[in-house]
Amino acid sequence: EVQLVESGGGLVQPGGSLRLSCAAYGFSFSNYWMSWVRQAPGKGLEWVANIKPDESEKYYVDSVEGRFTIFRDNAKNSLYLQMNSLRVEDTAVYYCTRHGDWRFEYWGQGTLVTVSS
Amino acid sequence: QSALTQPPSASGSPGQSVTISCTGTSSDVGEHDYVSWYQQHPGKAPKLMIYEVSKRPSGVPDRFSGSKSGNTASLTVSGLQAEDEADYYCSSYAGSKNWVFGGGTKLTVL
Repeated sequence: EVQLVESGGGLVQPGGSLRLSCAAYGFSFSNYWMSWVRQAPGKGLEWVANIKPDESEKYYVDSVEGRFTIFRDNAKNSLYLQMNSLRVEDTAVYYCTRHGDWRFEYWGQGTLVTVSS
Repeated sequence: QSALTQPPSASGSPGQSVTISCTGTSSDVGEHDYVSWYQQHPGKAPKLMIYEVSKRPSGVPDRFSGSKSGNTASLTVSGLQAEDEADYYCSSYAGSKNWVFGGGTKLTVL
């Protein structure tokens, strides 16, 4: 059974940093593209970033380019999102997702990031 | 990277059919047959319901169907049931390994 378990969320001040983690179970992690998708309170979904299985390609939504870094450790079956220079508008539940072909096939339960002074 | 356009709400009575639209541009929905739909119940993670415009993952009832015409994709839920009440989001590949979602539609079963 595919399982994605996020952790690392919490309360951080504007300008601060946070690292999210996603532990993957039940599939060959090193074979799949992975993404982070976020959802601000009461709002819709927003794709944030994705990463190729071998880390050779990484892509970001414009609003986080240069502030967030997605990376992975295939030996540990884990996905990460390093978030720097956090803004109030980054407040959201962050979901780890596994891609199927051209779709977000599996989702974790999410971890809440709150950026507030 | 503009969001796809969905109606904020839709509704239908049990047993009826309802269709939710998702309008993009010639760079996303119109160019790629990589539209997917997700169901989200309150406090839960989204769940994949339709992918590549009209394909259903195993376990998704055939009451759920998808289609696309030009820059607009649609999700139809037939034979509405109480458990179908949820938020629904469309998503499309937007090129250059980027993805875009719709703003979401709250489906109410009357």
